[in-house]
Amino acid sequence: GQNIDQPTEMTATEGAIVQINCTYQTSGFNGLFWYQQHAGEAPTFLSYNVLDGLEEKGRFSSFLSRSKGYSYLLLKELQMKDSASYLCAVLAYSGAGSYQLTFGKGTKLSVIP
Amino acid sequence: DTEVTQTPKHLVMGMTNKKSLKCEQHMGHRAMYWYKQKAKKPPELMFVYSYEKLSINESVPSRFSPECPNSSLLNLHLHALQPEDSALYLCASSQASNPSNTEAFFGQGTRLTVV
Repeated sequence: GQNIDQPTEMTATEGAIVQINCTYQTSGFNGLFWYQQHAGEAPTFLSYNVLDGLEEKGRFSSFLSRSKGYSYLLLKELQMKDSASYLCAVLAYSGAGSYQLTFGKGTKLSVIP
Repeated sequence: DTEVTQTPKHLVMGMTNKKSLKCEQHMGHRAMYWYKQKAKKPPELMFVYSYEKLSINESVPSRFSPECPNSSLLNLHLHALQPEDSALYLCASSQASNPSNTEAFFGQGTRLTVV
């Protein structure tokens, strides 16, 4: 099975930087995703890491350490529209060409003026 | 085309009805997924199809029946549902055979209400 942990809620100020952590335990690891989800909408893909290190995409960056089972999503220059749930999801190989994507419970980020 | 298209967007059905949810992608992905998401909860995996074969069935009740007619289409047949089955049903797809270049794309979901 898989175990994915991330904080339930975070609050940050507009214009600031926030880091959302995710730890995981899994077998057959094949990558870690971060998704943004606004209430009532489908998740939107933000990033995918399969190798160690930092991936930067504009205001969003994602980091992975496979040996530590650890990832973080870094959001810079926060905007009010960044208020959403951020889901960490682990892709694992389950055999016979099959992959399974398992989500953490999500971190609800509130951006305040 | 990086879209996963789900129809209908909204569905209200009675407990004795039979309905189907549809999902379509044209990205050449060979893995397709059905997720169920209740309010304020993460998506929960229901089924995974890999190369048009059901590879994972997460102990979902038989009133949910998946079907993968071809590599681009995924259906979820619904019959005799219960009010607690009301949720957002999400379809996703990913490139099963090339994990080093994998992104999982989601459809916009079908908001299902069982009355």
